[in-house]
Amino acid sequence: GEDVEQSLFLSVREGDSSVINCTYTDSSSTYLYWYKQEPGAGLQLLTYIFSNMDMKQDQRLTVLLNKKDKHLSLRIADTQTGDSAIYFCAETNAGKSTFGDGTTLTVKP
Amino acid sequence: GAGVSQSPSNKVTEKGKDVELRCDPISGHTALYWYRQSLGQGLEFLIYFQGNSAPDKSGLPSDRFSAERTGGSVSTLTIQRTQQEDSAVYLCASGSSGRGYEQYFGPGTRLTVT
Repeated sequence: GEDVEQSLFLSVREGDSSVINCTYTDSSSTYLYWYKQEPGAGLQLLTYIFSNMDMKQDQRLTVLLNKKDKHLSLRIADTQTGDSAIYFCAETNAGKSTFGDGTTLTVKP
Repeated sequence: GAGVSQSPSNKVTEKGKDVELRCDPISGHTALYWYRQSLGQGLEFLIYFQGNSAPDKSGLPSDRFSAERTGGSVSTLTIQRTQQEDSAVYLCASGSSGRGYEQYFGPGTRLTVT
């Protein structure tokens, strides 16, 4: 089946940039997403990118997509302690999504 | 507007009992998904409903698990003869075809089987 891989942990200092990486296998993916999960809560959609785009910027968030390498990244500028959470990458094809295992981002003051 | 709601928020049950978990999706969303998230793990896909089509049940781990969606709205996930390994958070999400079925998640039901 389809697979999505992410590194499990990332630790940064407050004010630095965070980059979370993701690779996927489904070349037919139409949309790719980043979700954020805070402790005890469900997943919240952060941003998405359509598969024919290379980059999308949304305030402090920048999504880069390398479709040839099937690599997706999420950059968070000026990372704050409130950004500490688990970040999930997901790819969608025909309505069904496959999620990565999540990257736990820890922001140190 | 109202988001996705799930009930109960917490459920403790004895091994061997049946449980029903409920999901109320966002009104008008045609797609509904169930996932399982074990402690410290990612999301495990269970089942996907899309409109009036037959559901995609490919993620259900055993025949003890079943789900239905009545009237294209509310969904119930039923686990029969619960086992301790069924303990997890069960997440429901709904979505629509706009923007590629981005999913809106409920807060989850934490199931503990003792």
